[in-house]
Amino acid sequence: NAGVTQTPKFQVLKTGQSMTLQCAQDMNHNSMYWYRQDPGMGLRLIYYSASEGTTDKGEVPNGYNVSRLNKREFSLRLESAAPSQTSVYFCASSEYYEQYFGPGTRLTVT
Amino acid sequence: AQRVTQPEKLLSVFKGAPVELKCNYSYSGSPELFWYVQYSRQRLQLLLRHISRESIKGFTADLNKGETSFHLKKPFAQEEDSAMYYCALIYGSSNTGKLIFGQGTTLQVKP
Repeated sequence: NAGVTQTPKFQVLKTGQSMTLQCAQDMNHNSMYWYRQDPGMGLRLIYYSASEGTTDKGEVPNGYNVSRLNKREFSLRLESAAPSQTSVYFCASSEYYEQYFGPGTRLTVT
Repeated sequence: AQRVTQPEKLLSVFKGAPVELKCNYSYSGSPELFWYVQYSRQRLQLLLRHISRESIKGFTADLNKGETSFHLKKPFAQEEDSAMYYCALIYGSSNTGKLIFGQGTTLQVKP
Protein backbone atom coordinates (compact mmCIF):
# COMPACT_ATOMS: atom_id res chain seq x y z
CA ASN A 1 0.00 0.00 0.00
CA ALA A 2 1.31 3.44 -0.92
CA GLY A 3 -0.85 5.14 1.72
CA VAL A 4 -1.29 8.81 0.84
CA THR A 5 0.48 10.07 -2.27
CA GLN A 6 0.88 13.66 -3.43
CA THR A 7 2.03 15.20 -6.70
CA PRO A 8 4.09 17.17 -7.45
CA LYS A 9 6.82 17.10 -4.78
CA PHE A 10 8.10 20.58 -5.66
CA GLN A 11 6.67 23.46 -7.67
CA VAL A 12 7.67 27.03 -8.42
CA LEU A 13 4.97 29.38 -9.67
CA LYS A 14 4.90 33.01 -10.68
CA THR A 15 2.37 35.31 -9.04
CA GLY A 16 -0.98 34.95 -10.77
CA GLN A 17 -0.38 31.47 -12.17
CA SER A 18 -2.71 28.62 -11.30
CA MET A 19 -2.05 25.01 -10.41
CA THR A 20 -3.64 21.94 -8.89
CA LEU A 21 -2.07 19.78 -6.21
CA GLN A 22 -3.12 16.16 -6.42
CA CYS A 23 -3.69 13.76 -3.53
CA ALA A 24 -4.75 10.12 -3.53
CA GLN A 25 -5.15 7.50 -0.81
CA ASP A 26 -5.51 3.75 -1.10
CA MET A 27 -6.76 3.04 2.44
CA ASN A 28 -10.47 3.42 1.63
CA HIS A 29 -10.76 6.29 4.11
CA ASN A 30 -13.81 8.51 4.08
CA SER A 31 -12.21 11.72 5.34
CA MET A 32 -9.49 13.69 3.60
CA TYR A 33 -7.75 16.96 4.47
CA TRP A 34 -5.46 19.63 3.07
CA TYR A 35 -3.06 21.47 5.39
CA ARG A 36 -0.37 24.04 4.92
CA GLN A 37 2.76 24.09 7.08
CA ASP A 38 4.54 27.38 7.73
CA PRO A 39 7.46 28.04 10.11
CA GLY A 40 6.23 29.09 13.53
CA MET A 41 2.59 28.43 12.57
CA GLY A 42 2.38 24.66 12.69
CA LEU A 43 -0.08 22.99 10.33
CA ARG A 44 -3.27 24.80 9.47
CA LEU A 45 -6.30 23.19 7.88
CA ILE A 46 -7.26 24.61 4.50
CA TYR A 47 -10.16 22.38 3.49
CA TYR A 48 -11.47 18.97 4.39
CA SER A 49 -13.86 16.41 3.00
CA ALA A 50 -15.79 14.18 5.38
CA SER A 51 -16.94 11.88 2.59
CA GLU A 52 -17.09 11.61 -1.17
CA GLY A 53 -19.11 14.50 -2.57
CA THR A 54 -18.73 16.81 0.42
CA THR A 55 -16.16 19.48 1.17
CA ASP A 56 -15.91 22.17 3.83
CA LYS A 57 -13.67 25.07 4.78
CA GLY A 58 -11.00 24.86 7.42
CA GLU A 59 -9.06 27.65 9.14
CA VAL A 60 -7.39 29.22 6.09
CA PRO A 61 -9.47 28.56 2.93
CA ASN A 62 -9.05 31.92 1.16
CA GLY A 63 -7.34 31.62 -2.22
CA TYR A 64 -7.96 27.88 -2.53
CA ASN A 65 -10.56 25.54 -3.96
CA VAL A 66 -10.88 21.78 -3.60
CA SER A 67 -12.49 18.88 -5.41
CA ARG A 68 -13.27 15.47 -3.95
CA LEU A 69 -13.19 13.64 -7.25
CA ASN A 70 -14.04 10.24 -5.77
CA LYS A 71 -13.32 8.40 -2.54
CA ARG A 72 -9.60 8.11 -3.35
CA GLU A 73 -8.75 11.57 -4.67
CA PHE A 74 -8.86 15.06 -3.18
CA SER A 75 -7.28 17.91 -5.14
CA LEU A 76 -6.36 21.45 -4.08
CA ARG A 77 -6.41 24.28 -6.60
CA LEU A 78 -4.75 27.67 -6.46
CA GLU A 79 -6.53 29.84 -9.03
CA SER A 80 -4.20 32.83 -8.85
CA ALA A 81 -1.10 32.12 -6.80
CA ALA A 82 0.26 34.76 -4.42
CA PRO A 83 3.62 34.89 -2.59
CA SER A 84 1.71 34.39 0.70
CA GLN A 85 0.85 30.90 -0.54
CA THR A 86 4.48 29.84 -0.47
CA SER A 87 4.35 26.89 1.89
CA VAL A 88 4.55 23.13 2.27
CA TYR A 89 1.21 21.50 1.59
CA PHE A 90 0.18 18.22 3.19
CA CYS A 91 -2.71 15.98 2.33
CA ALA A 92 -4.05 13.54 4.93
CA SER A 93 -6.77 10.94 5.22
CA SER A 94 -8.49 9.27 8.14
CA GLU A 95 -11.19 6.82 9.04
CA TYR A 96 -11.30 7.34 12.78
CA TYR A 97 -9.07 9.45 14.95
CA GLU A 98 -5.68 8.80 13.33
CA GLN A 99 -4.74 10.91 10.33
CA TYR A 100 -2.29 9.54 7.75
CA PHE A 101 -0.20 12.11 5.96
CA GLY A 102 1.32 12.35 2.52
CA PRO A 103 4.94 13.36 1.90
CA GLY A 104 4.10 17.00 1.16
CA THR A 105 4.41 19.42 -1.76
CA ARG A 106 6.84 22.32 -1.40
CA LEU A 107 5.40 25.29 -3.29
CA THR A 108 7.21 28.55 -3.93
CA VAL A 109 5.42 31.53 -5.44
CA THR A 110 7.67 34.29 -6.76
CA ALA B 1 -12.24 29.24 20.38
CA GLN B 2 -10.06 26.16 20.28
CA ARG B 3 -6.33 26.67 20.38
CA VAL B 4 -3.16 24.66 20.95
CA THR B 5 0.01 26.33 22.18
CA GLN B 6 3.52 24.92 22.22
CA PRO B 7 5.64 27.60 23.85
CA GLU B 8 9.06 26.28 22.81
CA LYS B 9 10.24 26.39 19.19
CA LEU B 10 13.39 24.46 20.02
CA LEU B 11 14.32 22.17 22.87
CA SER B 12 17.91 20.99 22.98
CA VAL B 13 19.01 18.28 25.45
CA PHE B 14 21.85 15.83 25.83
CA LYS B 15 21.40 12.12 25.29
CA GLY B 16 20.18 10.46 28.47
CA ALA B 17 18.60 13.64 29.85
CA PRO B 18 14.87 13.86 30.60
CA VAL B 19 12.65 15.55 28.05
CA GLU B 20 9.42 17.48 28.48
CA LEU B 21 7.73 19.06 25.49
CA LYS B 22 5.03 21.45 26.63
CA CYS B 23 1.53 21.71 25.20
CA ASN B 24 -1.39 23.79 26.45
CA TYR B 25 -4.83 23.86 24.94
CA SER B 26 -8.03 25.83 24.97
CA TYR B 27 -11.25 23.98 24.18
CA SER B 28 -14.79 24.34 25.45
CA GLY B 29 -15.76 20.68 25.19
CA SER B 30 -14.13 17.46 26.32
CA PRO B 31 -10.74 17.50 24.59
CA GLU B 32 -9.19 14.69 22.63
CA LEU B 33 -5.46 15.31 22.25
CA PHE B 34 -2.62 13.80 20.26
CA TRP B 35 1.09 14.08 19.70
CA TYR B 36 2.34 13.79 16.11
CA VAL B 37 6.00 13.51 15.16
CA GLN B 38 7.92 14.28 11.97
CA TYR B 39 11.37 12.74 11.72
CA SER B 40 13.78 14.12 9.15
CA ARG B 41 12.72 13.15 5.62
CA GLN B 42 9.73 11.18 6.91
CA ARG B 43 6.03 11.82 6.97
CA LEU B 44 4.15 13.27 9.86
CA GLN B 45 2.85 10.36 11.93
CA LEU B 46 0.84 9.79 15.07
CA LEU B 47 2.98 9.25 18.16
CA LEU B 48 0.34 8.89 20.83
CA ARG B 49 -3.24 9.66 21.76
CA HIS B 50 -4.27 10.64 25.26
CA ILE B 51 -7.21 8.25 25.45
CA SER B 52 -5.08 5.18 24.82
CA ARG B 53 -2.70 6.05 27.70
CA GLU B 54 0.04 4.06 25.93
CA SER B 55 3.77 4.61 26.10
CA ILE B 56 5.24 4.80 22.61
CA LYS B 57 9.03 4.79 22.11
CA GLY B 58 9.30 5.59 25.83
CA PHE B 59 7.15 8.74 25.53
CA THR B 60 4.11 9.37 27.69
CA ALA B 61 1.68 12.26 27.94
CA ASP B 62 -0.95 12.89 30.58
CA LEU B 63 -3.96 15.09 30.06
CA ASN B 64 -4.29 17.60 32.89
CA LYS B 65 -7.69 19.22 32.55
CA GLY B 66 -7.11 21.55 35.49
CA GLU B 67 -4.03 23.05 33.87
CA THR B 68 -5.32 22.44 30.31
CA SER B 69 -2.02 20.79 29.46
CA PHE B 70 -0.85 17.68 27.62
CA HIS B 71 2.92 17.68 28.01
CA LEU B 72 5.00 14.97 26.33
CA LYS B 73 7.66 13.35 28.50
CA LYS B 74 10.48 10.87 28.21
CA PRO B 75 12.82 10.03 31.07
CA PHE B 76 15.96 9.43 28.97
CA ALA B 77 16.31 11.06 25.56
CA GLN B 78 17.90 9.19 22.65
CA GLU B 79 19.52 10.73 19.58
CA GLU B 80 16.88 9.09 17.37
CA ASP B 81 14.22 11.15 19.19
CA SER B 82 15.44 14.25 17.36
CA ALA B 83 12.45 15.42 15.33
CA MET B 84 9.67 17.99 15.10
CA TYR B 85 6.83 17.32 17.53
CA TYR B 86 3.31 18.67 17.16
CA CYS B 87 0.57 18.65 19.76
CA ALA B 88 -2.91 18.50 18.21
CA LEU B 89 -6.52 18.74 19.34
CA ILE B 90 -9.39 17.11 17.49
CA TYR B 91 -12.67 18.92 17.07
CA GLY B 92 -15.84 17.79 15.41
CA SER B 93 -16.69 14.11 15.55
CA SER B 94 -13.79 11.67 15.77
CA ASN B 95 -14.48 10.10 12.41
CA THR B 96 -14.45 13.38 10.53
CA GLY B 97 -12.32 15.13 13.09
CA LYS B 98 -10.45 18.18 12.10
CA LEU B 99 -7.18 18.73 13.90
CA ILE B 100 -5.85 21.97 15.33
CA PHE B 101 -2.08 21.83 15.61
CA GLY B 102 0.28 23.71 17.84
CA GLN B 103 3.20 25.59 16.36
CA GLY B 104 5.54 22.62 16.78
CA THR B 105 8.68 22.06 18.85
CA THR B 106 11.94 20.86 17.38
CA LEU B 107 13.65 18.43 19.73
CA GLN B 108 17.38 18.21 19.28
CA VAL B 109 19.16 15.45 21.22
CA LYS B 110 22.90 15.98 21.34
CA PRO B 111 25.36 13.09 21.78
